[in-house]
Amino acid sequence: TQLLEQSPQFLSIQEGENLTVYCNSSSVFSSLQWYRQEPGEGPVLLVTVVTGGEVKKLKRLTFQFGDARKDSSLHITAAQPGDTGLYLCAGEGGTSYGKLTFGQGTILTVHP
Amino acid sequence: KAGVTQTPRYLIKTRGQQVTLSCSPISGHRSVSWYQQTPGQGLQFLFEYFSETQRNKGNFPGRFSGRQFSNSRSEMNVSTLELGDSALYLCASSLAGQGYSPLHFGNGTRLTVT
Repeated sequence: TQLLEQSPQFLSIQEGENLTVYCNSSSVFSSLQWYRQEPGEGPVLLVTVVTGGEVKKLKRLTFQFGDARKDSSLHITAAQPGDTGLYLCAGEGGTSYGKLTFGQGTILTVHP
Repeated sequence: KAGVTQTPRYLIKTRGQQVTLSCSPISGHRSVSWYQQTPGQGLQFLFEYFSETQRNKGNFPGRFSGRQFSNSRSEMNVSTLELGDSALYLCASSLAGQGYSPLHFGNGTRLTVT
């Protein structure tokens, strides 16, 4: 069974601060996806990383996939209140047919 | 392009009853996956359908079932409801359901079992 451990579970910071969310596993994933979910809505895909060591940037968000494709991180620079939400990492392993293994999520609150 | 549509948005049922949830995927998407989201367990995979065939199934009891129609619309059914079935049920569609084909989620159906 593939598991993804996501940390921290909760993050409360002030506007302008930087933060990093981690996603770790003992399993290798063919790809790792990051989603953001707001209350009352479904998760929305932010990025997919597929190559070990890959780094992707999306404005103030930087995503990294570990060399061994077992871990990933999401770094947000100069957080804004609009970044508040639930961040989820999800791994796809092999021939998954729609199955993603999700981390428990990180609830981020950015205070003005 | 319309997104994934799930109906109804909210449901309240009593223990022992059954419930059917509906999902309309994005036009052209042939894969539909279902997930259960709870505060304690997070998002857990239920099953996936592609061209009316179930290709993958998660670790849920047989009370949870689904089907897909020729137009790719999907339904999931939960019979003999238990209190622990209270959750947000999310449907996601994708072009192929594998190979980095990203999932597009609907806004879910909030099921409350009393």
